[in-house]
Amino acid sequence: NAGVTQTPKFQVLKTGQSMTLQCAQDMNHNSMYWYRQDPGMGLRLIYYSASEGTTDKGEVPNGYNVSRLNKREFSLRLESAAPSQTSVYFCASSAQTSTDTQYFGPGTRLTVL
Amino acid sequence: DQQVKQNSPSLSVQEGRISILNCDYTNSMFDYFLWYKKYPAEGPTFLISISSIKDKNEDGRFTVFLNKSAKHLSLHIVPSQPGDSAVYFCAAYSGTYKYIFGTGTRLKVLA
Repeated sequence: NAGVTQTPKFQVLKTGQSMTLQCAQDMNHNSMYWYRQDPGMGLRLIYYSASEGTTDKGEVPNGYNVSRLNKREFSLRLESAAPSQTSVYFCASSAQTSTDTQYFGPGTRLTVL
Repeated sequence: DQQVKQNSPSLSVQEGRISILNCDYTNSMFDYFLWYKKYPAEGPTFLISISSIKDKNEDGRFTVFLNKSAKHLSLHIVPSQPGDSAVYFCAAYSGTYKYIFGTGTRLKVLA
């Protein structure tokens, strides 16, 4: 069981470039999440998917899009990267109910120049 | 406005002693809380949870206390071990699949 996997681990982009962060889980979880973590701040929710086929905005959705490709995979897309999107991005998943423990991937460190 | 606050950015404790990490929240509607531990270059891992119907939950060396009237929770680690050195986040369930995380406290356990 790999749990939650994320690719890539590191990425450097120039302003205006686009990229997609990939996330997959093998725990048969229904819900998946994308967070960003910035220095001096807690994890902030970007988007979440309560179940396959649904996505909703979190606290900081501007500049991002998501796709719940199937039950296992949830991707995060930056269409036109900005320096303010330099951050560490974490994907997470949880089983069933909305209060269920969230299990996190190892993170993607993104730098936008 | 930070709804979940961890006012101590760092804490150092001797091995074998108690570590106490604190977390304050502002919204009395929060009724479920989690603590996560995070090592460098890894994702957060779940440690322990508490529901507002309890004031204490224990799991081995880890105990979480909840004081609803003070809107305060604390994580106690007894005895502290060098492997406990990590950043600890508290999180409050705010509804509709959303957790609000604190800014974290970096714990260093000195051998």
